[in-house]
Amino acid sequence: GAVVSQHPSRVICKSGTSVKIECRSLDFQATTMFWYRQFPKQSLMLMATSNEGSKATYEQGVEKDKFLINHASLTLSTLTVTSAHPEDSSFYICSAPTSSTGSIQYFGAGTRLSVL
Amino acid sequence: GEDVEQSLFLSVREGDSSVINCTYTDSSSTYLYWYKQEPGAGLQLLTYIFSNMDMKQDQRLTVLLNKKDKHLSLRIADTQTGDSAIYFCAESTRHSGGYQKVTFGIGTKLQVIP
Repeated sequence: GAVVSQHPSRVICKSGTSVKIECRSLDFQATTMFWYRQFPKQSLMLMATSNEGSKATYEQGVEKDKFLINHASLTLSTLTVTSAHPEDSSFYICSAPTSSTGSIQYFGAGTRLSVL
Repeated sequence: GEDVEQSLFLSVREGDSSVINCTYTDSSSTYLYWYKQEPGAGLQLLTYIFSNMDMKQDQRLTVLLNKKDKHLSLRIADTQTGDSAIYFCAESTRHSGGYQKVTFGIGTKLQVIP
């Protein structure tokens, strides 16, 4: 299957700092990527849709100024958690569909963010 | 709107078959998926089925889809300890932006007892 690489896998930061997470499609181009958040023992919640060359689309209740998304190329999307606070601690996962119709989504390995 | 429900926990003995069930609400689903998540890891796509199919088999995995009842199941034959993980059921529906929006269930934790 297609490969989606996500870095870093784990980050620990102090409250008030910003953290950038990268999501790369390694063997295919992705005009659209998705960012999810997963709380312990819960399902994945879609945060936003990252669109190459245009603004991201955020789901209801997700602060766009808090979670900055940049999709500068067909293989890279970044999620920046700005001024992180302990309540932002979570598991963040990105995904990318392999076709323009987005039928099959492949996921990155996830990033565990811990804010002290 | 989209909603996907599945049971939280399933325990089976090694060598037995496991059946994980899922129900969904959106009749316009195009694809239905099963993903596997091991502790601390991302999601691994196990299998998927197109909404106009009834069954799909891939080695030890069998997916059954009852579109009338909006019920999806995953059967794992000869369950092994390495199958212990959380299994997410998911459906995709066409979003207004033209792409497929995926909605996940809460995940079923499968425990395989040696």
